[in-house]
Amino acid sequence: GAVVSQHPSRVICKSGTSVKIECRSLDFQATTMFWYRQFPKQSLMLMATSNEGSKATYEQGVEKDKFLINHASLTLSTLTVTSAHPEDSSFYICSAIRGTDQPQHFGDGTRLSIL
Amino acid sequence: GENVEQHPSTLSVQEGDSAVIKCTYSDSASNYFPWYKQELGKGPQLIIDIRSNVGEKKDQRIAVTLNKTAKHFSLHITETQPEDSAVYFCAASISVSQFYFGTGTSLTVIP
Repeated sequence: GAVVSQHPSRVICKSGTSVKIECRSLDFQATTMFWYRQFPKQSLMLMATSNEGSKATYEQGVEKDKFLINHASLTLSTLTVTSAHPEDSSFYICSAIRGTDQPQHFGDGTRLSIL
Repeated sequence: GENVEQHPSTLSVQEGDSAVIKCTYSDSASNYFPWYKQELGKGPQLIIDIRSNVGEKKDQRIAVTLNKTAKHFSLHITETQPEDSAVYFCAASISVSQFYFGTGTSLTVIP
């Protein structure tokens, strides 16, 4: 089956640090990748949609300068949380999709804790 | 835009009983409906999906039904087991970049 790998699984760092999270589709080329944020006991909140070689599309209310997304290839997207603060602490999940009428395949998420 | 509602938010069943989770959507253009299972501390995993040209799909103990006229679809889990305990999300999709998730159902199977 389709596998999406997300690293790191857990990050604990000081306020002001920038943190990079990688999302890789291991056995398929992803036309589109998505980044979500999930608060405890809540649903997935879409942050941005990215396509290889083009700028990401951010959802309303998501700061593009704060959450930098780079989609360098059909199998790799990265999310960088710049100058992270405690309010950025959350569970971040990426997903990748092959094409139309296909499911999103999710990574196992990154638990980000900013002290 | 699309609006997906999911009920119930929590569900407890005895082991061996069936569990049913229901979702409704608002946009008739939605044509793909996946269901995901999310265990604690992990990302959602696809468990079953259905496309708009199909009314029902079954995979062992899991089945999904779709009523396009009423704009609702349901997940049915039969002979529930403790390992089925998790949070389940429905979703409706119009296109590659338009996925709308339900609010989730926390299922607890009591041994």
